[in-house]
Amino acid sequence: EAGVAQSPRYKIIEKRQSVAFWCNPISGHATLYWYQQILGQGPKLLIQFQNNGVVDDSQLPKDRFSAERLKGVDSTLKIQPAKLEDSAVYLCASSRLGGGRETQYFGPGTRLLVL
Amino acid sequence: DQQVKQNSPSLSVQEGRISILNCDYTNSMFDYFLWYKKYPAEGPTFLISISSIKDKNEDGRFTVFLNKSAKHLSLHIVPSQPGDSAVYFCAATTNNAGNMLTFGGGTRLMVKP
Repeated sequence: EAGVAQSPRYKIIEKRQSVAFWCNPISGHATLYWYQQILGQGPKLLIQFQNNGVVDDSQLPKDRFSAERLKGVDSTLKIQPAKLEDSAVYLCASSRLGGGRETQYFGPGTRLLVL
Repeated sequence: DQQVKQNSPSLSVQEGRISILNCDYTNSMFDYFLWYKKYPAEGPTFLISISSIKDKNEDGRFTVFLNKSAKHLSLHIVPSQPGDSAVYFCAATTNNAGNMLTFGGGTRLMVKP
């Protein structure tokens, strides 16, 4: 079974530029999560999708971050415009159904550096 | 407000000895706890979990202990191996939070040969 795929693996941009990250979850997994992990901290959930609907986006800075999951499979996370404090690893995870107690499977992440 | 804290950023242990990683939480609504392990340039991988109705869960060399009154959990690795060297994250969730996890800041474990 293929794992969660993410691209790109690394991205360097200037502040005020835009950037987009892509995630392909494990086949058949209904729930997809985007996390932000700042250096030295644990992952923080940004948004959770169940199929193509948003379950929770309470910690997503909606003035600059957006995410979509068209057709309930792949997902993109966009930052526009980027700030220095957005430098972090962006992790995508998926789980089978999204109910409590389900294991979340993480991708390798995209490391973003904003200069 | 950090609801899940791992107060030791790093831990060094000799191969064959016991590694003990600690985690404290403040939200009394948390009822399910997990440990994830992360190697460099990889995503976290699930290691072991425990429900609040238990005080111990064991899986091979890994045991998680939960002390609800102290709002504290710990991960024991016995015996420690060099391949266990990684960052360990504690995470917690509540029954009505869907599958939303709150993570601690992580502890870097180094197991010396």
